[in-house]
Amino acid sequence: ETGVTQTPRHLVMGMTNKKSLKCEQHLGHNAMYWYKQSAKKPLELMFVYNFKEQTENNSVPSRFSPECPNSSHLFLHLHTLQPEDSALYLCASSQTLGTSGEQFFGPGTRLTVL
Amino acid sequence: TQLLEQSPQFLSIQEGENLTVYCNSSSVFSSLQWYRQEPGEGPVLLVTVVTGGEVKKLKRLTFQFGDARKDSSLHITAAQPGDTGLYLCAGVNRDDKIIFGKGTRLHILP
Repeated sequence: ETGVTQTPRHLVMGMTNKKSLKCEQHLGHNAMYWYKQSAKKPLELMFVYNFKEQTENNSVPSRFSPECPNSSHLFLHLHTLQPEDSALYLCASSQTLGTSGEQFFGPGTRLTVL
Repeated sequence: TQLLEQSPQFLSIQEGENLTVYCNSSSVFSSLQWYRQEPGEGPVLLVTVVTGGEVKKLKRLTFQFGDARKDSSLHITAAQPGDTGLYLCAGVNRDDKIIFGKGTRLHILP
């Protein structure tokens, strides 16, 4: 595998379900990010991790819980989501924290909450 | 709140035509990035512009950063079906935060 991979690619869940999204980067990067991409809204940065430590949480509801066990893996745990949480969730990584370096995005997980 | 407005939202043109899409803001950015996102994929960085008035070329794509670093344009010459996708601009503010526009969805008809 190369680049940034995300699983699953598609997920349908009910509001009472618990599920997790997984992201893995094979680039040796130190920073990882979760973004939400909704129709008709700009790409929204959710969480930022640098060397496994969370450095940014952009007022994301607690029903989204990130986990970063090491610099290569990032998870997003989902619990009691709402239909408005349906979106494309993108993971990205970069060599260093900050916007001066290029971010490499994964293909995303298309989430539908029923 | 800093916003980046992209126009047009949608554009459908014939292969071989030229086009320009815009990214505008009332805020100043330290740099601006352009991404292309194809269906089923994540965004891919095309270019970063840093200096006011800067022009960068990537084959048939020409990117320009406004003199005041508040706006940018992307011009495509002789568009091809492979140029189809969602074009996103993203500005980096002085707090090193990245702010994305909603994008321009471009469709090139063969």
